[in-house]
Amino acid sequence: AQSVSQHNHHVILSEAASLELGCNYSYGGTVNLFWYVQYPGQHLQLLLKYFSGDPLVKGIKGFEAEFIKSKFSFNLRKPSVQWSDTAEYFCAVNAPGNTGKLIFGQGTTLQVKP
Amino acid sequence: DGGITQSPKYLFRKEGQNVTLSCEQNLNHDAMYWYRQDPGQGLRLIYYSQIVNDFQKGDIAEGYSVSREKKESFPLTVTSAQKNPTAFYLCASTPDRGSSPLHFGNGTRLTVT
Repeated sequence: AQSVSQHNHHVILSEAASLELGCNYSYGGTVNLFWYVQYPGQHLQLLLKYFSGDPLVKGIKGFEAEFIKSKFSFNLRKPSVQWSDTAEYFCAVNAPGNTGKLIFGQGTTLQVKP
Repeated sequence: DGGITQSPKYLFRKEGQNVTLSCEQNLNHDAMYWYRQDPGQGLRLIYYSQIVNDFQKGDIAEGYSVSREKKESFPLTVTSAQKNPTAFYLCASTPDRGSSPLHFGNGTRLTVT
């Protein structure tokens, strides 16, 4: 079945540590890729997106993600996390054919210790 | 201000009853979505609609129904056939077929006892 997988369910880091959250999808063809973040008690909001072009995309708050087509991956990175990055992170994929079917991964809870 | 309104915020129902969750948007978006969010399972797509009078099943449509009679409205009915209806339900919209980021509502937490 078509799916989006996030490998890490719960990550705990100390401030200033580097972050990498994995995301893999099982669709072939052209896809649009997104990372969303949900801070405690808040809406989901967009961190970054990839549609085409440079596979390294930069988002808000110092986050970036790299699209590796051969690995069907779109991993999220940040060189140095802050306590305020504590949140739940979701990878999402727009299925091929631009059908509008947006599928989310299971989410990764990031806890940053001060 | 434009946005998505979901009502009510909390909803309680007895088992065996159908219940309808409201979602209204004034963003003039064509596409609308319903997701359910459960701990450890992320957001799972229930139904989505690209245009008025048309909608498609998502990955977990069983026990749910929707309608899209107006562009701004996309109500979700949780029927008695849904085996595990207690959850947090999120409505979202986007101006096109998923190539733009989603705008989310505040969600409705449904508890069925």
